[in-house]
Amino acid sequence: GAVVSQHPSWVICKSGTSVKIECRSLDFQATTMFWYRQFPKQSLMLMATSNEGSKATYEQGVEKDKFLINHASLTLSTLTVTSAHPEDSSFYICSARDPLRTGANTGELFFGEGSRLTVL
Amino acid sequence: AQKVTQAQTEISVVEKEDVTLDCVYETRDTTYYLFWYKQPPSGELVFLIRRNSFDEQNEISGRYSWNFQKSTSSFNFTITASQVVDSAVYFCALSEESGGSNYKLTFGKGTLLTVNP
Repeated sequence: GAVVSQHPSWVICKSGTSVKIECRSLDFQATTMFWYRQFPKQSLMLMATSNEGSKATYEQGVEKDKFLINHASLTLSTLTVTSAHPEDSSFYICSARDPLRTGANTGELFFGEGSRLTVL
Repeated sequence: AQKVTQAQTEISVVEKEDVTLDCVYETRDTTYYLFWYKQPPSGELVFLIRRNSFDEQNEISGRYSWNFQKSTSSFNFTITASQVVDSAVYFCALSEESGGSNYKLTFGKGTLLTVNP
């Protein structure tokens, strides 16, 4: 299947610093990528939809200035957690759709391995 | 209202038992897609199955089977002869056509399955 890779897999940072997480589609071009957040023992919550060449679309309640998303190419989307605080500690997962593989409107997404952020 | 409900938060079984994970969904769309994903302790999501709203045929894949019933808005997942390696969190998810071209997935809260030897 299509491969989506995230980097780093885990990161520990001090409060107040910014952290960038990369999401890459390795064998396909992804015009749209999705960023999810998962708190311990909870479900995945969609944060934003990342669109190549345009601004991301954020879900209600997600601070766009806090979680900066950039989708500069068809294979890379980045999520930057700015001025991170302990409450931002979470598991961040990206996903992407391969329109050539899954066809139109099937809804199937390919997920990255996830990035675990711990803010001290 | 919650769109995907997985009422079972945790299930614990003994190896070789059969186990069914329940999923009830809510949508006004006539075209939608339902998914099951497995999340082992490592964290990455493993795709198990996709079913579209027009295909109510049940599916079997090895020890896994899925029962899709539109009349009850349910998409249940059964593992036959469970194994320790099946221990994971299982998520049911919904994608609605009205979500536009973005294919947003709405996940249930997940069911933690523990298979004991």
